[in-house]
Amino acid sequence: QQQVKQSPQSLIVQKGGISIINCAYENTAFDYFPWYQQFPGKGPALLIAIRPDVSEKKEGRFTISFNKSAKQFSLHIMDSQPGDSATYFCAATPNTGTASKLTFGTGTRLQVTL
Amino acid sequence: DAMVIQNPRYQVTQFGKPVTLSCSQTLNHNVMYWYQQKSSQAPKLLFHYYDKDFNNEADTPDNFQSRRPNTSFCFLDIRSPGLGDAAMYLCATSRVGGPTNEKLFFGSGTQLSVL
Repeated sequence: QQQVKQSPQSLIVQKGGISIINCAYENTAFDYFPWYQQFPGKGPALLIAIRPDVSEKKEGRFTISFNKSAKQFSLHIMDSQPGDSATYFCAATPNTGTASKLTFGTGTRLQVTL
Repeated sequence: DAMVIQNPRYQVTQFGKPVTLSCSQTLNHNVMYWYQQKSSQAPKLLFHYYDKDFNNEADTPDNFQSRRPNTSFCFLDIRSPGLGDAAMYLCATSRVGGPTNEKLFFGSGTQLSVL
């Protein structure tokens, strides 16, 4: 019930291409869906997040698509750059009005090649 | 800049020797979290403090303890580290009561090695 399933495990994309990472969840109480970017040896940093009342959110080259009925959401990175090479985690949490208890996906290691 | 700071960056301890990891924050957030992240895995929540209230996850081993003496500081104590406790330990903060309750700010982590 608490799991967030993420795919693919790893992804290689050419510079300028589109990177797509998918996540699926079961818990209908989840109300906030962030994506975190993590570089080696660093903590995760919030990249972009969405709530289920919208189907898409775009910030620069990063877009979240959200399908509430299918309980799926995805991250699209347009015009992928070598600097985007990192591990990406999707996550989800219910809005309890108190401390956030994020459930993370298993991560996707993205490599953007020249 | 306001941030979450973890010290030390790398920590080496011996099997069974108690170790303490520290975290400080200048964000004045009321919640502080400790996550464990093993190599190539997702971060796993160990526990969190909401102000002074300690909240343990059900599957967090008793070997892991935490202290929060004030708003700014939080410590992770591992009483008897085992080889399986070698991991990156991440501290994070959030602010309950603001427009983005759920947004977590992470520190850079402490990489713990157990010899």
